[in-house]
Amino acid sequence: DVKVTQSSRYLVKRTGEKVFLECVQDMDHENMFWYRQDPGLGLRLIYFSYDVKMKEKGDIPEGYSVSREKKERFSLILESASTNQTSMYLCASSPRPSETQYFGPGTRLTVL
Amino acid sequence: QKEVEQNSGPLSVPEGAIASLNCTYSDRVSQSFFWYRQYSGKSPELIMSIYSNGDKEDGRFTAQLNKASQYVSLLIRDSQPSDSATYLCAVNGKGSARQLTFGSGTQLTVLP
Repeated sequence: DVKVTQSSRYLVKRTGEKVFLECVQDMDHENMFWYRQDPGLGLRLIYFSYDVKMKEKGDIPEGYSVSREKKERFSLILESASTNQTSMYLCASSPRPSETQYFGPGTRLTVL
Repeated sequence: QKEVEQNSGPLSVPEGAIASLNCTYSDRVSQSFFWYRQYSGKSPELIMSIYSNGDKEDGRFTAQLNKASQYVSLLIRDSQPSDSATYLCAVNGKGSARQLTFGSGTQLTVLP
């Protein structure tokens, strides 16, 4: 079974803090994704990576950056957290971009 | 026009009935179609994938694809209260890597 893990289930940070969300997958997938999910807005793609050190912007990259130094690990960074970044953050991986994505359990981030 | 559209619901059906969930997409060249189930507070999990026109059955679930009409649906037979969840449609889309685009989901409630 594919397993995707995320570093925290719940996280509370203050405005202006730097926040790191980490994701690890164990299926040797080339592709990894970061989404945020908000009520009524569905899943919105922030960034994705198709190889180590390779990344592409998704639909809402502003205020976020990513890092992929190893194939199994994909990190999402909020350089200076703001209250409008309070959301559920979901990481996913897949063997190919157009194929099934496997999701981690999610991190519910609250920025105060 | 949204790339992937779903009725947000809520859709309510009595236990034992057939639940019908619909999804339309805008990209005529899409080739991969997926249905995910998401329980409240949890991450999406894959139910079915479909790639060819017609029906695909898996237990109580049937996915239907009509590429000419750009329409994909999910039927749930003998609906159970445990099927109450949000159902997300995903289609490989117009992104640079033709990665998946998700609909905003349909909330289904199965009434005992």
